Amino acid sequence: GAVVSQHPSRVICKSGTSVKIECRSLDFQATTMFWYRQFPKQSLMLMATSNEGSKATYEQGVEKDKFLINHASLTLSTLTVTSAHPEDSSFYICSARVPGWNYGYTFGSGTRLTVV
Amino acid sequence: GENVEQHPSTLSVQEGDSAVIKCTYSDSASNYFPWYKQELGKRPQLIIDIRSNVGEKKDQRIAVTLNKTAKHFSLHITETQPEDSAVYFCAASMKTGFQKLVFGTGTRLLVSP
Repeated sequence: GAVVSQHPSRVICKSGTSVKIECRSLDFQATTMFWYRQFPKQSLMLMATSNEGSKATYEQGVEKDKFLINHASLTLSTLTVTSAHPEDSSFYICSARVPGWNYGYTFGSGTRLTVV
Repeated sequence: GENVEQHPSTLSVQEGDSAVIKCTYSDSASNYFPWYKQELGKRPQLIIDIRSNVGEKKDQRIAVTLNKTAKHFSLHITETQPEDSAVYFCAASMKTGFQKLVFGTGTRLLVSP
């Protein structure tokens, strides 16, 4: 149980285009979803926290107009990288705290974004 | 906000030796401390966690200790095996607010046969 499905797993896009990444909780309701970015050989850096039905909360230094987050339902959160540039190439991964797991977190499988 | 530091960044041991990775956190309100193992290009896998009402937890070859006063927690792996080679991350979160999970900087563990 407590699975978060993340798509796509890999995407290559051209500079200037936008890319949408979806995370869907399959067997639980995720009122909050966390979005992380991980550059090669680095840690997972929290970008933003999305909350169902309200605006996302962005970490310091993360451009909210570039990384659009939508959490339209209790099972779906999306991250859209707008006007992507090569420096946005990274591994993006979502996570949710599972209700009733006593602080446990579950992770999506990640999206490898390459901007060419 | 919470800040988690992790040391060492790389650790090389011989098979059968023990490995210790240490983390410190900044926010005394943090009360949940998981450890993750991450293979290249994969999601983090929880290997053990500890909550602030416990000082130590053990699961076979893996143990975690927590010192709330010093805001330190450590991962101990005994009888290391080559398949333990991976990147390990510590993390911390609070029970209140959004319950954000903040990661340490990571340790690359290499176990040589």
